Amino acid sequence: GESVGLHLPTLSVQEGDNSIINCAYSNSASDYFIWYKQESGKGPQFIIDIRSNMDKRQGQRVTVLLNKTVKHLSLQIAATQPGDSAVYFCAERKGGATNKLIFGTGTLLAVQP
Amino acid sequence: EAGVVQSPRYKIIEKKQPVAFWCNPISGHNTLYWYRQNLGQGPELLIRYENEEAVDDSQLPKDRFSAERLKGVDSTLKIQPAELGDSAVYLCASSWGQTSYEQYFGPGTRLTVT
Repeated sequence: GESVGLHLPTLSVQEGDNSIINCAYSNSASDYFIWYKQESGKGPQFIIDIRSNMDKRQGQRVTVLLNKTVKHLSLQIAATQPGDSAVYFCAERKGGATNKLIFGTGTLLAVQP
Repeated sequence: EAGVVQSPRYKIIEKKQPVAFWCNPISGHNTLYWYRQNLGQGPELLIRYENEEAVDDSQLPKDRFSAERLKGVDSTLKIQPAELGDSAVYLCASSWGQTSYEQYFGPGTRLTVT
């Protein structure tokens, strides 16, 4: 039967602090990695991506780091704001012409005022 | 710019009943995706369309699920008959071009099967 309860990894931070959300991926042939933000009642929203031949990419208040040696991806959010509260998913795209995204387990970011 | 539109937003049905979801992608996006998202998990692809052609439906349970995108624009996903395990959020997404990894998601339809 269905499991009772939701065991979503949760990161709780104070407003103004930096947040780091981690993700492990499985496919060494993936060519792109993407972070999505999903607020309650909404669909996932694209935040930032990184190509597999890069190890760091910066956006506005966000930085994504890629460590291919250990198949690890992280999203850093600077000066976290209450509006950043959401579930964050990493996704990997299989290489080649296919555009299939494989999403990881989400992390709930809770920003305390 | 209008985003991906989905309807209905919520649907409650009894098991064994049929249900249909509708999606209108962003104008100009020729690639359309249907995903299923269970509580606390990431979206899982059900089917991908390039224009009106289904190019990846390997994850679609074809015994009860069907989809169509007749004119290469809006799309319908149907379940008949619905089962209790079909309760989930059904998300539609679109992208420009078949290789674009930047997919734009709609708000989803939350289906509850009782």
